[in-house]
Amino acid sequence: SQKIEQNSEALNIQEGKTATLTCNYTNYSPAYLQWYRQDPGRGPVFLLLIRENEKEKRKERLKVTFDTTLKQSLFHITASQPADSATYLCALAPTDSWGKFQFGAGTQVVVTP
Amino acid sequence: EAQVTQNPRYLITVTGKKLTVTCSQNMNHEYMSWYRQDPGLGLRQIYYSMNVEVTDKGDVPEGYKVSRKEKRNFPLILESPSPNQTSLYFCASSITGGGGQPQHFGDGTRLSIL
Repeated sequence: SQKIEQNSEALNIQEGKTATLTCNYTNYSPAYLQWYRQDPGRGPVFLLLIRENEKEKRKERLKVTFDTTLKQSLFHITASQPADSATYLCALAPTDSWGKFQFGAGTQVVVTP
Repeated sequence: EAQVTQNPRYLITVTGKKLTVTCSQNMNHEYMSWYRQDPGLGLRQIYYSMNVEVTDKGDVPEGYKVSRKEKRNFPLILESPSPNQTSLYFCASSITGGGGQPQHFGDGTRLSIL
């Protein structure tokens, strides 16, 4: 069956360091991979997306990589700040089911001053 | 302001009493979707709609109904709610459903079914 896995343990990181989150998937052929941020009591907010034929995407302090051979995406927050503390979700959109999305359970990031 | 609006934000109700959660978007998006979020399970897709009058099942459609009579609205209907439908529900919209566009989410509806 299709499976998406994100680290369930919270990532505690010091301000200024780089946070790296992983999103692994199995039995899946995603056309796109999206990353969202979710704050407590709020809906997810879109951050970045990457296509299956792209290796890397950047936006300000955020970087996403996509390795379809390893079936893995890495999400990096550089120069992290306390305001980056949130839960980060990855979502996959498959090549063969337009409109269907699957989300990982999310990884909580806590940035301490 | 571009947004997805869900109502109600909170609801406590009893088993078997039909309820509707409304969702409206003002961005003229073709695609809309419903998710439920449970601890440790992440967001799971209930139903989605690629356009008006076009709806399809997601991964967990049992016990839910939807309709898409107008582009902006996509209500979620629980005809006979049960306690296992207690959850946090999110509606989302996107220009298209192809994954190459971001999804915009509402702020969620917390349902408790006793």
